[in-house]
Amino acid sequence: SQQGEEDPQALSIQEGENATMNCSYKTSINNLQWYRQNSGRGLVHLILIRSNEREKHSGRLRVTLDTSKKSSSLLITASRAADTASYFCASHSGGGADGLTFGKGTHLIIQP
Amino acid sequence: NAGVTQTPKFQVLKTGQSMTLQCAQDMNHNSMYWYRQDPGMGLRLIYYSASEGTTDKGEVPNGYNVSRLNKREFSLRLESAAPSQTSVYFCASLITRRVSSYNEQFFGPGTRLTVL
Repeated sequence: SQQGEEDPQALSIQEGENATMNCSYKTSINNLQWYRQNSGRGLVHLILIRSNEREKHSGRLRVTLDTSKKSSSLLITASRAADTASYFCASHSGGGADGLTFGKGTHLIIQP
Repeated sequence: NAGVTQTPKFQVLKTGQSMTLQCAQDMNHNSMYWYRQDPGMGLRLIYYSASEGTTDKGEVPNGYNVSRLNKREFSLRLESAAPSQTSVYFCASLITRRVSSYNEQFFGPGTRLTVL
């Protein structure tokens, strides 16, 4: 079963606005990652936050992690049309080589 | 570096046919993974290989077999395809690190499989 659940499932905003996506997970994690998927393409890693971190930044991306609530959020500031894609959170819970558990994703549409 | 490559990109099978999906990475990564993605869903782990010579089941292994041929290559085989296996299949790899350390996975472009 899918561990992560993203919220909202779909989001449409105007270019220049900020986009916030949320993710919940069920079991304890080592780290949580966010990936982007453009239509018909593979996934691209965006950012990783470790279980002992609360906030992390990378360019226009800001991710937060609340392990007490088993939730994370991804904020994209000053959105661009090129940010249109599906965004997935993925949790890593097991040993170093164990696979990731993905959520169902948020489809983000940036209106020009 | 080509990263992670997958072949074929598209495939149509009839129920009961068999096929092998190929995956190769040139990043000298230890671990490799096969996921499937169904419409409107995230990825689900089918099998993974933590290192050459080892394979383990993921969340949805039924109906699939894998082979870690060498460090570079990890193949996924459908022995008797079923319509429920219609999906997009992604291969991924990473350098295995200690628990809680960096675990970014690199993904291939996917194979779109339709089983009629």
